[in-house]
Amino acid sequence: DAGVIQSPRHEVTEMGQEVTLRCKPISGHDYLFWYRQTMMRGLELLIYFNNNVPIDDSGMPEDRFSAKMPNASFSTLKIQPSEPRDSAVYFCASSLGLTDTQYFGPGTRLTVL
Amino acid sequence: AQKITQTQPGMFVQEKEAVTLDCTYDTSDPSYGLFWYKQPSSGEMIFLIYQGSYDQQNATEGRYSLNFQKARKSANLVISASQLGDSAMYFCAMRELYSGGSNYKLTFGKGTLLTVNP
Repeated sequence: DAGVIQSPRHEVTEMGQEVTLRCKPISGHDYLFWYRQTMMRGLELLIYFNNNVPIDDSGMPEDRFSAKMPNASFSTLKIQPSEPRDSAVYFCASSLGLTDTQYFGPGTRLTVL
Repeated sequence: AQKITQTQPGMFVQEKEAVTLDCTYDTSDPSYGLFWYKQPSSGEMIFLIYQGSYDQQNATEGRYSLNFQKARKSANLVISASQLGDSAMYFCAMRELYSGGSNYKLTFGKGTLLTVNP
């Protein structure tokens, strides 16, 4: 069975550009999570969705960040405009229920120059 | 306040030997879940093992076992018969299940870098 799929795996962009990260959760999972991992702050939850509806976006750092889940099999995390401090690895994870094990995608390594 | 503490930034073990990675946690919620994830140098986060606070027995998954000591609030990961492919960063994580609450965030420790020597 396919796990969580993320694209692209690597993204290099220049400051000020828009960046869109994509995620396909495991089929049948009702919860989707976006995390950011940096050396300084470790793994941080940015936002999570239940049945395509955003439930908690308190971890989203700024208005420059936005996330959508138009259907059960696709979510995007957008940064506009991007800044060098956004450089990090962004993970998408999904789970059956809110209290079930979260399975992570391979991550997107974002570098903003 | 830090809820998950991994005191070992790095650990070394000889191939085929067992190793214990430490994790302590802090919570006042009686209902919670503890997880271990592995992150190899390729970057993905791989789920290894789960322990619920009400589980009577320590969790085991193949070569992985969890030494759960509830009174001491520790959930150490034991890897038996280490293999070179076990070299990776290991993260302990906890999720609290507040009664009637809605905060189910998974909180991660800072990780332990395990190196398996041949």
